[in-house]
Amino acid sequence: ILNVEQSPQSLHVQEGDSTNFTCSFPSSNFYALHWYRWETAKSPEALFVMTLNGDEKKKGRISATLNTKEGYSYLYIKGSQPEDSATYLCAQGTGTASKLTFGTGTRLQVTL
Amino acid sequence: KAGVTQTPRYLIKTRGQQVTLSCSPISGHRSVSWYQQTPGQGLQFLFEYFSETQRNKGNFPGRFSGRQFSNSRSEMNVSTLELGDSALYLCASSLAPGGGANEQFFGPGTRLTVL
Repeated sequence: ILNVEQSPQSLHVQEGDSTNFTCSFPSSNFYALHWYRWETAKSPEALFVMTLNGDEKKKGRISATLNTKEGYSYLYIKGSQPEDSATYLCAQGTGTASKLTFGTGTRLQVTL
Repeated sequence: KAGVTQTPRYLIKTRGQQVTLSCSPISGHRSVSWYQQTPGQGLQFLFEYFSETQRNKGNFPGRFSGRQFSNSRSEMNVSTLELGDSALYLCASSLAPGGGANEQFFGPGTRLTVL
């Protein structure tokens, strides 16, 4: 993996479904992995910043895991709600600057 | 606490013109980064400023420049606009620079259309 990649590109689930997305990143010289939620016409909102291999973070119904050795992170949403509809971005941070390298995002649509 | 603000929110320019976008960070934040998003592309890093100094620059032509003022507000300028510069430009602020583990707070963006 040379760049930050996210899959799937888009996802359509029904209210109450649980879902998960994948973020793959270069595992060498890992420093930090960020997850953002970006609703249409709003600012990207930070969900998690993860730095340690095996790290798990949770915010309400959303949680994330991190595997720095194999270069991937999963984002889970339990019991999806329509207000979860957004694009979910992951980004890799370096140790030398605030520069973030973003994936192209997973667009989630939750319908009733 | 007010969030990151960007002005203007929308802008239409023609090829060859220049444009200046403004970003006011969260109070107390001294680092400001700029990103560009074009259709089908992830957010691309433009540059980062801290204490009025550019600390890091992405892979963009010299037509893209920026600056930061003593109150941490930042501007970015694009000269000789091209059609491909049409994009959403986001700025993000953080308390301190360096260390990609710092949480960054994004503004709503400026949508630039070049005709």
